[in-house]
Amino acid sequence: NAGVTQTPKFQVLKTGQSMTLQCAQDMNHNSMYWYRQDPGMGLRLIYYSASEGTTDKGEVPNGYNVSRLNKREFSLRLESAAPSQTSVYFCASSELEGAFTEAFFGQGTRLTVV
Amino acid sequence: RKEVEQDPGPFNVPEGATVAFNCTYSNSASQSFFWYRQDCRKEPKLLMSVYSSGNEDGRFTAQLNRASQYISLLIRDSKLSDSATYLCVVPRDSNYQLIWGAGTKLIIKP
Repeated sequence: NAGVTQTPKFQVLKTGQSMTLQCAQDMNHNSMYWYRQDPGMGLRLIYYSASEGTTDKGEVPNGYNVSRLNKREFSLRLESAAPSQTSVYFCASSELEGAFTEAFFGQGTRLTVV
Repeated sequence: RKEVEQDPGPFNVPEGATVAFNCTYSNSASQSFFWYRQDCRKEPKLLMSVYSSGNEDGRFTAQLNRASQYISLLIRDSKLSDSATYLCVVPRDSNYQLIWGAGTKLIIKP
């Protein structure tokens, strides 16, 4: 019962480097999300995918791109990393569309941009 | 005023005590709310949903005060394992978007 799996768990990037965070869920959920969590702030939505084949911007999408590869997988790409993107990133999924259903989270990726 | 506000704490509480903390929200149209629990350096996990006036699950009670626009979480007979950060979550008007509070840190001491 893996649930939501994110890779990598830790990453250090130099400013300007690119990377892709991978996320996969095995619960047959329709909706998937990418959040970032910064100290003293609530989780902020970067991008979401309501269903396979669709993606939409969240609250803080600048500097990121996403791909909903199939129903299971939703990746987040940083094309040119900046120190402001130092954060903990969480992928999440939910069975139903909408904000009113339980979200299940991956273990997080701790990203440092130097 | 922030959309969702929580006292960051920490609340230091002896084991066995009752503790309560609040979350205030600005959108008076909000109909449902969530409490998530996040252990140190772990992912958030759903603790309770609140769809009407409140909800109770064992030692945990969530109550909603629409007039004053806050929700509360009450923990009775607190256990050491209750130590965590408790996140208040309020859906925005549109679907898919949740507003997350920064969390209240709770430390239960033996």
